[in-house]
Amino acid sequence: GESVGLHLPTLSVQEGDNSIINCAYSNSASDYFIWYKQESGKGPQFIIDIRSNMDKRQGQRVTVLLNKTVKHLSLQIAATQPGDSAVYFCAEEDFGGYQKVTFGTGTKLQVIP
Amino acid sequence: DAMVIQNPRYQVTQFGKPVTLSCSQTLNHNVMYWYQQKSSQAPKLLFHYYDKDFNNEADTPDNFQSRRPNTSFCFLDIRSPGLGDAAMYLCATSRDRTGGGYTFGSGTRLTVV
Repeated sequence: GESVGLHLPTLSVQEGDNSIINCAYSNSASDYFIWYKQESGKGPQFIIDIRSNMDKRQGQRVTVLLNKTVKHLSLQIAATQPGDSAVYFCAEEDFGGYQKVTFGTGTKLQVIP
Repeated sequence: DAMVIQNPRYQVTQFGKPVTLSCSQTLNHNVMYWYQQKSSQAPKLLFHYYDKDFNNEADTPDNFQSRRPNTSFCFLDIRSPGLGDAAMYLCATSRDRTGGGYTFGSGTRLTVV
């Protein structure tokens, strides 16, 4: 059968509160960063992206912050809803050579009704 | 709706028996990717096609092969599945090699018995 996986970091948030999911990336040359949401049994779904020449980008209820000095990326979800419960992955891409996206360790978000 | 479709959703195969997973896309994207995702882990890139140009990751076992007969279809062949190959296999597409979020299929969960 399938090998035992790692335990994902878990963030539990009360419905209606804001969520902040953090990610440390490794490649200082990465040009582009993406957040994906993966619900149980489904493929990852694109949420929001940011290029390395920006430090903040906002979408609908989501904001991504990029701190290149410390190689840190965060995803903020405003007014968290039960439908936000999922595993969230950050991903980074280095435009040098082939487009190649590397996924970070996921964070499981649990929304408490 | 344009999308990435993976078949089947669930596949059970016997140890050592070749198995093929399929992916089709209606997005007319140039690039197609295969990822392996084990429980509670990030997706791991196996290989990708840029048009007809095949790009294998250095650490992808020889047991894994891929075919892309046309723009719309891409196949993952596992020549001799072992128990350690049980995982979710994700297909993704992107328009080109420049920055852009991937579109993922829903995945095929492979069980090896």
